[in-house]
Amino acid sequence: QVHLVESGGGVVQPGRSLSLSCAASGFIFSSYGIHWVRQAPGKGLQWVAYMWYDGSNKYYTDSVKGRFTISRDNSKNMFYLQMNSLRAEDTAVYYCARDSLPGTAASGLLDVWGQGTTVTVSS
Amino acid sequence: DIQMTQSPSSLSASVGDRVTITCQASQDISNYLSWYQQKPGKAPKLLIYDASTLETGVPSRFSGSGSGTDFTFTITSLQPEDIATYYCQQYDNLPPYTFGQGTKLEIK
Repeated sequence: QVHLVESGGGVVQPGRSLSLSCAASGFIFSSYGIHWVRQAPGKGLQWVAYMWYDGSNKYYTDSVKGRFTISRDNSKNMFYLQMNSLRAEDTAVYYCARDSLPGTAASGLLDVWGQGTTVTVSS
Repeated sequence: DIQMTQSPSSLSASVGDRVTITCQASQDISNYLSWYQQKPGKAPKLLIYDASTLETGVPSRFSGSGSGTDFTFTITSLQPEDIATYYCQQYDNLPPYTFGQGTKLEIK
Protein backbone atom coordinates (compact mmCIF):
# COMPACT_ATOMS: atom_id res chain seq x y z
CA GLN A 1 0.00 0.00 0.00
CA VAL A 2 1.23 3.45 -0.90
CA HIS A 3 2.09 5.58 2.12
CA LEU A 4 3.66 8.93 2.89
CA VAL A 5 4.43 9.81 6.50
CA GLU A 6 5.62 13.25 7.55
CA SER A 7 7.56 14.01 10.70
CA GLY A 8 9.62 16.77 12.27
CA GLY A 9 6.97 19.34 13.08
CA GLY A 10 6.96 21.28 16.29
CA VAL A 11 7.04 24.68 17.93
CA VAL A 12 9.88 26.98 16.90
CA GLN A 13 10.71 30.61 17.51
CA PRO A 14 10.63 33.15 14.69
CA GLY A 15 13.91 33.26 12.81
CA ARG A 16 14.86 29.72 13.74
CA SER A 17 15.03 26.61 11.56
CA LEU A 18 13.19 23.33 11.34
CA SER A 19 13.54 20.29 9.11
CA LEU A 20 10.61 18.16 7.99
CA SER A 21 10.86 14.63 6.68
CA CYS A 22 8.58 12.56 4.48
CA ALA A 23 9.00 8.78 4.46
CA ALA A 24 7.61 6.93 1.47
CA SER A 25 6.64 3.29 1.08
CA GLY A 26 4.69 1.06 -1.25
CA PHE A 27 5.93 2.54 -4.52
CA ILE A 28 9.13 3.17 -6.45
CA PHE A 29 10.09 6.41 -4.74
CA SER A 30 12.88 7.29 -7.16
CA SER A 31 10.39 7.43 -10.04
CA TYR A 32 8.12 10.11 -8.56
CA GLY A 33 8.33 13.79 -7.88
CA ILE A 34 7.18 14.97 -4.46
CA HIS A 35 5.37 18.14 -3.46
CA TRP A 36 5.00 19.97 -0.18
CA VAL A 37 1.65 21.65 0.48
CA ARG A 38 0.73 23.57 3.62
CA GLN A 39 -2.45 24.67 5.33
CA ALA A 40 -2.48 27.49 7.86
CA PRO A 41 -4.94 27.11 10.75
CA GLY A 42 -8.48 27.50 9.45
CA LYS A 43 -7.25 28.35 5.95
CA GLY A 44 -7.04 26.71 2.56
CA LEU A 45 -4.34 24.72 0.85
CA GLN A 46 -1.15 26.37 -0.42
CA TRP A 47 1.31 24.63 -2.70
CA VAL A 48 4.83 25.21 -1.32
CA ALA A 49 7.48 23.31 -3.25
CA TYR A 50 8.20 20.50 -5.70
CA MET A 51 11.20 18.41 -6.66
CA TRP A 52 11.54 16.25 -9.75
CA TYR A 53 11.78 12.48 -9.36
CA ASP A 54 15.52 12.62 -10.01
CA GLY A 55 16.17 15.76 -7.97
CA SER A 56 17.34 17.71 -10.97
CA ASN A 57 14.81 20.52 -10.66
CA LYS A 58 13.15 22.26 -7.77
CA TYR A 59 10.35 24.81 -7.58
CA TYR A 60 9.16 27.00 -4.72
CA THR A 61 6.32 29.36 -4.05
CA ASP A 62 7.54 32.95 -3.90
CA SER A 63 6.98 33.41 -0.16
CA VAL A 64 9.49 30.67 0.76
CA LYS A 65 12.15 31.19 -1.90
CA GLY A 66 15.56 31.65 -0.33
CA ARG A 67 14.34 30.32 3.04
CA PHE A 68 13.11 26.77 2.31
CA THR A 69 15.07 24.01 0.61
CA ILE A 70 13.74 20.68 -0.58
CA SER A 71 15.89 17.60 -1.00
CA ARG A 72 15.53 13.87 -1.32
CA ASP A 73 17.46 10.69 -0.60
CA ASN A 74 16.30 8.05 -3.02
CA SER A 75 18.37 5.39 -1.25
CA LYS A 76 16.29 5.91 1.89
CA ASN A 77 12.94 6.71 0.28
CA MET A 78 13.00 10.02 2.13
CA PHE A 79 12.08 13.55 1.17
CA TYR A 80 12.96 16.63 3.20
CA LEU A 81 11.98 20.25 3.65
CA GLN A 82 14.57 22.44 5.38
CA MET A 83 12.90 25.60 6.64
CA ASN A 84 15.09 28.52 7.69
CA SER A 85 14.30 32.03 8.92
CA LEU A 86 10.83 30.90 9.93
CA ARG A 87 8.06 33.45 10.28
CA ALA A 88 4.74 33.41 12.07
CA GLU A 89 3.01 33.12 8.70
CA ASP A 90 4.76 29.79 8.11
CA THR A 91 2.61 28.28 10.86
CA ALA A 92 0.67 25.47 9.20
CA VAL A 93 0.14 21.78 8.74
CA TYR A 94 2.66 20.64 6.16
CA TYR A 95 1.76 17.77 3.84
CA CYS A 96 3.99 15.89 1.45
CA ALA A 97 2.21 14.57 -1.61
CA ARG A 98 3.20 12.45 -4.56
CA ASP A 99 3.06 13.72 -8.11
CA SER A 100 0.86 11.34 -10.07
CA LEU A 101 3.07 10.66 -13.10
CA PRO A 102 6.27 8.66 -12.66
CA GLY A 103 9.42 9.52 -14.52
CA THR A 104 8.24 12.89 -15.74
CA ALA A 105 9.03 16.49 -14.96
CA ALA A 106 5.75 17.11 -13.16
CA SER A 107 2.09 16.60 -13.74
CA GLY A 108 1.11 18.82 -10.82
CA LEU A 109 -1.57 16.33 -9.87
CA LEU A 110 -1.21 15.14 -6.29
CA ASP A 111 -2.55 11.61 -6.00
CA VAL A 112 -1.22 10.42 -2.62
CA TRP A 113 -0.92 12.56 0.53
CA GLY A 114 0.64 12.08 3.91
CA GLN A 115 -1.26 12.82 7.11
CA GLY A 116 0.60 16.07 7.72
CA THR A 117 2.89 17.46 10.41
CA THR A 118 2.20 20.68 12.31
CA VAL A 119 4.66 23.56 12.42
CA THR A 120 4.02 26.41 14.83
CA VAL A 121 6.22 29.50 14.68
CA SER A 122 5.81 31.47 17.87
CA SER A 123 7.86 33.21 20.47
CA ASP B 1 0.63 32.98 -11.40
CA ILE B 2 -2.76 31.48 -12.23
CA GLN B 3 -5.47 32.44 -9.75
CA MET B 4 -8.36 30.11 -8.95
CA THR B 5 -11.66 31.58 -7.81
CA GLN B 6 -13.94 29.04 -6.18
CA SER B 7 -17.54 29.60 -5.11
CA PRO B 8 -19.42 29.47 -2.90
CA SER B 9 -17.14 29.54 0.13
CA SER B 10 -19.72 27.62 2.12
CA LEU B 11 -22.82 25.66 1.30
CA SER B 12 -25.59 24.06 3.30
CA ALA B 13 -27.68 21.31 1.70
CA SER B 14 -29.92 18.41 2.64
CA VAL B 15 -29.22 14.73 2.21
CA GLY B 16 -30.22 13.75 -1.31
CA ASP B 17 -29.74 17.24 -2.74
CA ARG B 18 -27.74 18.03 -5.84
CA VAL B 19 -24.76 20.20 -4.94
CA THR B 20 -22.71 22.29 -7.35
CA ILE B 21 -19.44 24.14 -6.81
CA THR B 22 -17.75 26.31 -9.41
CA CYS B 23 -14.12 27.18 -10.01
CA GLN B 24 -12.80 29.81 -12.38
CA ALA B 25 -9.20 30.11 -13.55
CA SER B 26 -7.60 33.48 -14.31
CA GLN B 27 -6.37 32.10 -17.64
CA ASP B 28 -6.96 29.13 -19.90
CA ILE B 29 -5.80 25.93 -18.20
CA SER B 30 -7.33 23.52 -20.72
CA ASN B 31 -8.60 20.60 -18.61
CA TYR B 32 -5.76 20.60 -16.04
CA LEU B 33 -8.11 20.91 -13.12
CA SER B 34 -8.57 18.60 -10.15
CA TRP B 35 -10.96 18.43 -7.20
CA TYR B 36 -10.02 17.33 -3.68
CA GLN B 37 -12.11 16.47 -0.64
CA GLN B 38 -10.80 17.26 2.82
CA LYS B 39 -12.55 16.06 5.95
CA PRO B 40 -11.76 17.75 9.28
CA GLY B 41 -8.35 16.82 10.63
CA LYS B 42 -7.54 14.72 7.58
CA ALA B 43 -5.38 15.07 4.50
CA PRO B 44 -6.97 16.04 1.19
CA LYS B 45 -8.14 13.21 -1.03
CA LEU B 46 -8.08 13.34 -4.82
CA LEU B 47 -11.57 12.88 -6.29
CA ILE B 48 -11.42 14.13 -9.88
CA TYR B 49 -8.62 14.98 -12.27
CA ASP B 50 -8.37 16.28 -15.82
CA ALA B 51 -11.56 18.19 -15.01
CA SER B 52 -13.89 15.21 -15.38
CA THR B 53 -12.08 11.91 -14.72
CA LEU B 54 -13.10 10.14 -11.55
CA GLU B 55 -10.23 8.78 -9.44
CA THR B 56 -10.41 5.03 -8.88
CA GLY B 57 -12.74 4.11 -6.05
CA VAL B 58 -14.56 7.44 -5.91
CA PRO B 59 -18.36 7.08 -5.92
CA SER B 60 -20.11 7.95 -9.16
CA ARG B 61 -22.29 10.58 -7.48
CA PHE B 62 -19.26 12.85 -7.79
CA SER B 63 -18.59 14.43 -11.18
CA GLY B 64 -16.75 17.30 -12.79
CA SER B 65 -16.98 19.24 -16.00
CA GLY B 66 -15.55 22.22 -17.82
CA SER B 67 -12.51 23.33 -19.73
CA GLY B 68 -10.59 26.50 -20.39
CA THR B 69 -11.39 28.79 -17.47
CA ASP B 70 -14.73 27.61 -16.08
CA PHE B 71 -15.25 24.37 -14.17
CA THR B 72 -18.00 22.71 -12.17
CA PHE B 73 -18.01 20.04 -9.47
CA THR B 74 -21.26 18.24 -8.72
CA ILE B 75 -22.54 15.80 -6.14
CA THR B 76 -25.75 14.38 -7.57
CA SER B 77 -27.23 13.09 -4.31
CA LEU B 78 -25.59 14.40 -1.16
CA GLN B 79 -24.74 11.80 1.47
CA PRO B 80 -23.90 12.45 5.14
CA GLU B 81 -20.33 11.23 4.58
CA ASP B 82 -19.80 13.93 1.94
CA ILE B 83 -19.54 16.60 4.61
CA ALA B 84 -16.12 18.12 3.98
CA THR B 85 -14.32 21.03 2.40
CA TYR B 86 -13.75 20.76 -1.34
CA TYR B 87 -10.90 22.38 -3.24
CA CYS B 88 -10.18 22.83 -6.91
CA GLN B 89 -6.56 22.94 -8.08
CA GLN B 90 -4.99 23.86 -11.39
CA TYR B 91 -1.93 22.00 -12.65
CA ASP B 92 -1.39 23.57 -16.01
CA ASN B 93 2.26 23.68 -17.07
CA LEU B 94 4.93 24.40 -14.45
CA PRO B 95 4.57 25.35 -10.78
CA PRO B 96 3.18 27.13 -8.85
CA TYR B 97 0.12 24.92 -8.71
CA THR B 98 -2.69 26.90 -7.17
CA PHE B 99 -5.78 25.88 -5.23
CA GLY B 100 -9.15 27.51 -4.94
CA GLN B 101 -10.14 28.98 -1.59
CA GLY B 102 -12.27 25.96 -0.72
CA THR B 103 -15.99 25.28 -0.25
CA LYS B 104 -17.16 24.09 3.12
CA LEU B 105 -20.14 21.79 2.68
CA GLU B 106 -22.53 21.26 5.56
CA ILE B 107 -25.73 19.31 6.06
CA LYS B 108 -28.88 21.38 6.48
